[in-house]
Amino acid sequence: SYVLTQPPSVSVAPGQTARITCGGNNIGSKSVHWYQHKPGQAPVLVVYDDSDRPSGIPERFSGSNSGNTATLTISRVEAGDEADYYCQLWDSRGVFGGGTKLTVL
Amino acid sequence: QVQLVQSGSELKKPGASVKVSCKASGYTFTSYAMNWVRQAPGQGLEWMGWINTNTGNPTYAQGFTGRFVFSLDTSVSTAYLQISSLKAEDTAVYYCALVDTAMVTGPFDYWGQGTLVTVSS
Repeated sequence: SYVLTQPPSVSVAPGQTARITCGGNNIGSKSVHWYQHKPGQAPVLVVYDDSDRPSGIPERFSGSNSGNTATLTISRVEAGDEADYYCQLWDSRGVFGGGTKLTVL
Repeated sequence: QVQLVQSGSELKKPGASVKVSCKASGYTFTSYAMNWVRQAPGQGLEWMGWINTNTGNPTYAQGFTGRFVFSLDTSVSTAYLQISSLKAEDTAVYYCALVDTAMVTGPFDYWGQGTLVTVSS
């Protein structure tokens, strides 16, 4: 079965850039989606189809996908960005990465 | 606007059953496939499967066969997740989530607020 690998945690100071990776075998050939999940709330889609942003999501959120790694980039990080982030794709079934906790220092 | 409103938290004893509802509004019910996602305490998101809102045909992920049943009541735009013979390890937050039926590899566009199911004696 297809496996997505994310770092458990990423820390960044406010105003800096956070990069969260999602590794998978030839993931660049698949469409990757990213979700922000804060405690007690429903997950929110922040990037879909590798690099597209849903309406209402700030331009600070961007994505890329090539080779064996997809990346979610959050520019000018704010305190409110602190959350768990999950990558997800379809491989005959839904697959989520293990999640990355973003800490804003 | 699209809304998914789930039923409230449940506390069940081992061996009992639970039925979680997910009421949809703000769109044509058959335009999106209804998925179910689980988050166990301290764990990540896990896809449980989905149900075709046009045909009612369910598809279950590995590990969610047998005790888990997806169903629909299209007359009230509501999807259901029933879990039987509950075990302590079923303790989790369960989310319903929508995928556009026109996008085979599309994202989960909308999510319910989640339902906490606690299994404890």
